[in-house]
Amino acid sequence: EPEVTQTPSHQVTQMGQEVILRCVPISNHLYFYWYRQILGQKVEFLVSFYNNEISEKSEIFDDQFSVERPDGSNFTLKIRSTKLEDSAMYFCASYLRGLKGSEAFFGQGTRLTVV
Amino acid sequence: DQQVKQNSPSLSVQEGRISILNCDYTNSMFDYFLWYKKYPAEGPTFLISISSIKDKNEDGRFTVFLNKSAKHLSLHIVPSQPGDSAVYFCAAKRETSGSRLTFGEGTQLTVNP
Repeated sequence: EPEVTQTPSHQVTQMGQEVILRCVPISNHLYFYWYRQILGQKVEFLVSFYNNEISEKSEIFDDQFSVERPDGSNFTLKIRSTKLEDSAMYFCASYLRGLKGSEAFFGQGTRLTVV
Repeated sequence: DQQVKQNSPSLSVQEGRISILNCDYTNSMFDYFLWYKKYPAEGPTFLISISSIKDKNEDGRFTVFLNKSAKHLSLHIVPSQPGDSAVYFCAAKRETSGSRLTFGEGTQLTVNP
């Protein structure tokens, strides 16, 4: 079964450093997302991406964040200058509206720890 | 953001019995609802969904019920199995292509052998 894959599984970075989280969505999907889950909190929407541009972003997704689909397969989330409060599980998801319905498929997540 | 709420952080049931997980929402614009299951160190896995034009959707042991007037949905698992032990997230969206999911807090289900 096709799946969304994310790398790395765990990233430790120093505060103020840039990080890039990588995702390979399911190949025929058209919509791509990043969500995050801070420990003990809800899964929160960050950004959606369609047709090579951001289609929607949340208030969390400020100027420190950016997304890119550089080569037609990878989908990346960059955090320019990490803060302690960016520590969370980051989930990539992709979506293709199908006959069965409207579900997004999630990757296994990248645990980002900012120290 | 309290648009989707799961009031029970945990639920414990015996193997073979029914598990009922509940979810409430406040945003009337939501018209598509999903349940995801999540094991530790994994991403959410899609389980079952329901459109607002239905009040019930069934897939094997899993049934989702939607009460639009009460803005309430529930997931029934019967019979429950130990492998069902996981965190269950309710999520809602507007059924336009590509719209975001809004998640509840999750309910930890433990099925005891």
